[in-house]
Formats: sequence, structure tokens, C-alpha cells
Amino acid sequence: DTGVSQDPRHKITKRGQNVTFRCDPISEHNRLYWYRQTLGQGPEFLTYFQNEAQLEKSRLLSDRFSAERPKGSFSTLEIQRTEQGDSAMYLCASSLDEAEAFFGQGTRLTVV
Amino acid sequence: DAKTTQPTSMDCAEGRAANLPCNHSTISGNEYVYWYRQIHSQGPQYIIHGLKNNETNEMASLIITEDRKSSTLILPHATLRDTAVYYCIVRVGNFNKFYFGSGTKLNVKP
Repeated sequence: DTGVSQDPRHKITKRGQNVTFRCDPISEHNRLYWYRQTLGQGPEFLTYFQNEAQLEKSRLLSDRFSAERPKGSFSTLEIQRTEQGDSAMYLCASSLDEAEAFFGQGTRLTVV
Repeated sequence: DAKTTQPTSMDCAEGRAANLPCNHSTISGNEYVYWYRQIHSQGPQYIIHGLKNNETNEMASLIITEDRKSSTLILPHATLRDTAVYYCIVRVGNFNKFYFGSGTKLNVKP
């Protein structure tokens, strides 16, 4: 069972650097979601793709954040000019249409 | 915005049933109730979901009141590995945009 895969699992970066995370959804899942989770809080919705189309973006997704899903398969989330407040766990999930979403193990970002 | 209310934490003895309550008094007629759990440092794990009827799967049972204003997640025989934060979520719309809230921290004790 190949679930949702995220890479890397951990990333430490210096403030001001750009970082990119990758998410590989479950095969055949047409919907993909990005969430962010800070310490002690529940995950917060960031954005959602159906196939390659980005259909909704949270206002949490500032202009330093960009997400893509170019061929409707894997997705990338890029953060430009990272800030200490970007330190969080970035979670990816996928689903087949309206069915339940399955989450990956997340990428933990630490900005120093 | 939060649409559910859950206790902050609960304890349960190993081997006993864990009953986790959730209030969702403003739920609309076509909104589903979902339960996820998150074990420390892992991604959320899907447990179960329902609309009106009670549901059961290999992990848990979901009991939804007739007026749909509250529900209970039941883990029939809790083990130490069930120690986690449990999130009750009302799904708005037809895609998985969830507001997780703070959840209930379930501590299963030997």
C-alpha cells in the first residue's frame, strides 16, 4: 500500500532562503490538499487541487507561497524568502473525488 | 470556522471502550461528520465518517444522534497505541477542506 508520500521529511533552512516540498498522492487520486500545522494546533487548510487545477487557496497562503500540480499527479509547495513564522509541519493529503482524504507523514520545516 | 466542540482531554483504561463525544449543533442537513486522529509527529489518520446513520468499520463506531447535533466515536477496546489527538470535523461542501480545531487528547493508560 503506497500511501501519500512527502519529501523531505525534515528541512532546516536559514531565514530568507527558498524551500520546496514535494507530495506524491495515492495513485489515481484526483484531489490533493495542502495543510499546515504549528506546534500544539490542529492542521490548517492551505490549498486544494482537482487534477492540475488549483481550485481554492486559503488566505494563509501568502504571496511567498506557491503550489503547483503540473500534470495532475505530484504536487510541489514552494516557500520563498522563508521567515521564522513559516516553521511548521506541512501536510499533504489526497482523495478520490469526495471520498475521505488520506494524509502523508508531513514535512517538518524549521527556519533558523 | 470551528463547527464542533470537543473535550480537551480524556483518559481511558486499556482494554475498555473509549467514548469520545463531539457537539456540532449548527450542522446542516448535507454536512458529514468526520473523525481523524493524529499520533504524535505523524500525519492525521482517517477513522470514520457519517451523515445520519450510525457507522462501524474495523477501527471504530460512530454514533450520530437523531437530531445530528452531536456524535460519539467509540473505540471498542482501547490499546496503548490508540493514545492520540482525535479530531471531530464537520465537512462543509464536497471536498476535504477541514477545520480541525484542537481535538481531544485521548490518553489510554495501562
